[in-house]
Amino acid sequence: AQSVTQLDSQVPVFEEAPVELRCNYSSSVSVYLFWYVQYPNQGLQLLLKYLSGSTLVKGINGFEAEFNKSQTSFHLRKPSVHISDTAEYFCAVSFSSASKIIFGSGTRLSIRP
Amino acid sequence: EPEVTQTPSHQVTQMGQEVILRCVPISNHLYFYWYRQILGQKVEFLVSFYNNEISEKSEIFDDQFSVERPDGSNFTLKIRSTKLEDSAMYFCASRDGETSYNEQFFGPGTRLTVL
Repeated sequence: AQSVTQLDSQVPVFEEAPVELRCNYSSSVSVYLFWYVQYPNQGLQLLLKYLSGSTLVKGINGFEAEFNKSQTSFHLRKPSVHISDTAEYFCAVSFSSASKIIFGSGTRLSIRP
Repeated sequence: EPEVTQTPSHQVTQMGQEVILRCVPISNHLYFYWYRQILGQKVEFLVSFYNNEISEKSEIFDDQFSVERPDGSNFTLKIRSTKLEDSAMYFCASRDGETSYNEQFFGPGTRLTVL
């Protein structure tokens, strides 16, 4: 069965420090990979997506993620975080062009001044 | 920029009552989805809808749930007899039929509170 695992439920970091949010997936077929962000009391916003091609994907707000097929990972990174990055981040996969999206359990990123 | 809209933003209902959550997908989109997020938990898929019929549904989507596209713009989720455990944020999503990848655009959600 396909699944998504986010290894950290919470990640506290200091402002302007780098951050990595980890995501691993399980699938026997090719996948599309996504990171979504949910700001407090808001909906889901797409940060970035991996479809094919270059394994390094750049998204909005300075975030990037690297697809590693051998490790079945899709970790999200930002070199310098800001207070405004405080949010819940969800890694997600889908397995065809029209199928459901399967979400991970989320990582709450909290930024300390 | 076109966006998915949902109404109401917050719905409070008594257990056993019927609720209808409404969504207006992006106008040229062909695939529609409902997801829910129980407070503090992950987002879960409920149902997908294409060409006026359900294409996939999860085990959560039991006989109490139904979806409909009553006209050319709205996409609704009905819960016939709400239970306490139906309290959650419900997200609608849509995607077009032309791109080869599965980018779904999410609405802001409806928070359903069942008392």
